[in-house]
Amino acid sequence: AQSVSQHNHHVILSEAASLELGCNYSYGGTVNLFWYVQYPGQHLQLLLKYFSGDPLVKGIKGFEAEFIKSKFSFNLRKPSVQWSDTAEYFCAVTGSGGYNKLIFGAGTRLAVHP
Amino acid sequence: DAGVIQSPRHEVTEMGQEVTLRCKPISGHNSLFWYRQTMMRGLELLIYFNNNVPIDDSGMPEDRFSAKMPNASFSTLKIQPSEPRDSAVYFCASKQTGAFSYTFGSGTRLTVV
Repeated sequence: AQSVSQHNHHVILSEAASLELGCNYSYGGTVNLFWYVQYPGQHLQLLLKYFSGDPLVKGIKGFEAEFIKSKFSFNLRKPSVQWSDTAEYFCAVTGSGGYNKLIFGAGTRLAVHP
Repeated sequence: DAGVIQSPRHEVTEMGQEVTLRCKPISGHNSLFWYRQTMMRGLELLIYFNNNVPIDDSGMPEDRFSAKMPNASFSTLKIQPSEPRDSAVYFCASKQTGAFSYTFGSGTRLTVV
């Protein structure tokens, strides 16, 4: 069965620090990978996605993620975080078929202090 | 496009009452998903539809939960009777079959007291 594991449940950083959030997935086939962000009190917004091609994917707001197939990983990175990045971040996976459901990890709460 | 529209935004109800959550997907999207978000369990997929037909309802927690999609532009998630442990934020999402761009609604925050 599909599953997504996010290793860090809570991360606290100071502004300008670098960020890396871990994501590993389990799926027996071709996958599509996503990172979503949820700002306090808001709905999920797509940060970036990987379908195929260049394993280094750039998203909005300076975020990027690298797909490493051999490690079943899709870690999210940002070189310098801002206070406005305080949010919850979800990694998600779906298979390549049309019906495939989007399965989320447990999420990582990021708090950035000024 | 107004996006995925959910109503109500907030619902407070007493234990034992029936609750109906509503979702209008994006026009042209023929797959619709209901998720529940809680602190303890994160985002759980409850059920999803394709072309108005339920494809997988294995995530529906128990028989008190039911979902329908009578047409391409409307879906409901019903809880009867509601219990305090049903308190959560319920999200609806839609996409086109074969595509992978999921759009989420703003959610319904349900509180059962």
